[in-house]
Amino acid sequence: DTAVSQTPKYLVTQMGNDKSIKCEQNLGHDTMYWYKQDSKKFLKIMFSYNNKELIINETVPNRFSPKSPDKAHLNLHINSLELGDSAVYFCASSQAAGYGNTIYFGEGSWLTVV
Amino acid sequence: GNSVTQMEGPVTLSEEAFLTINCTYTATGYPSLFWYVQYPGEGLQLLLKATKADDKGSNKGFEATYRKETTSFHLEKGSVQVSDSAVYFCALTDTGGFKTIFGAGTRLFVKA
Repeated sequence: DTAVSQTPKYLVTQMGNDKSIKCEQNLGHDTMYWYKQDSKKFLKIMFSYNNKELIINETVPNRFSPKSPDKAHLNLHINSLELGDSAVYFCASSQAAGYGNTIYFGEGSWLTVV
Repeated sequence: GNSVTQMEGPVTLSEEAFLTINCTYTATGYPSLFWYVQYPGEGLQLLLKATKADDKGSNKGFEATYRKETTSFHLEKGSVQVSDSAVYFCALTDTGGFKTIFGAGTRLFVKA
């Protein structure tokens, strides 16, 4: 059983389109995250939810909108896709937010905007 | 603000060589420190962690010691294998904060 699963794994789309990435965790964790990894492997936090409440909202364009229908799911919707949005997006979860908590990552969603 | 600095890669070693990847940090409190590993085409996974000064984290032959006096958490392994080829990330979570800060990652290539 995959602990943190995200779909789709690969996504190729045209500029201007809207797309969503879905994420689910079956670890019973309270906290979920979206990270963006660029081509140089630099990892940047985008959002974090704790028990469906937004606790981290980094400086990302408001074309990116997270939604957490329950604490096991955190989806990411992206409007009006741009070339610079091409990256790997990782969903992740942890038992709780912050100090000492291990983060469990999904396998990533590889987004290519053409 | 909090930050993590790790040595630039790539690091290329022959099998059975000794590995050190340096990591230093800046934090306002007493952070917990982590090493994560990312194998090709996969997500990151925890390699080891330490939550207080002088703690040593260890796993799969890798180890790192939390050094408060030098604000460091260097990763070491005595004898690397080809299967250790991956990108290694040092990270911290500060006390009282929600955010885990990751270093830029160090790519390791191990040749047979």
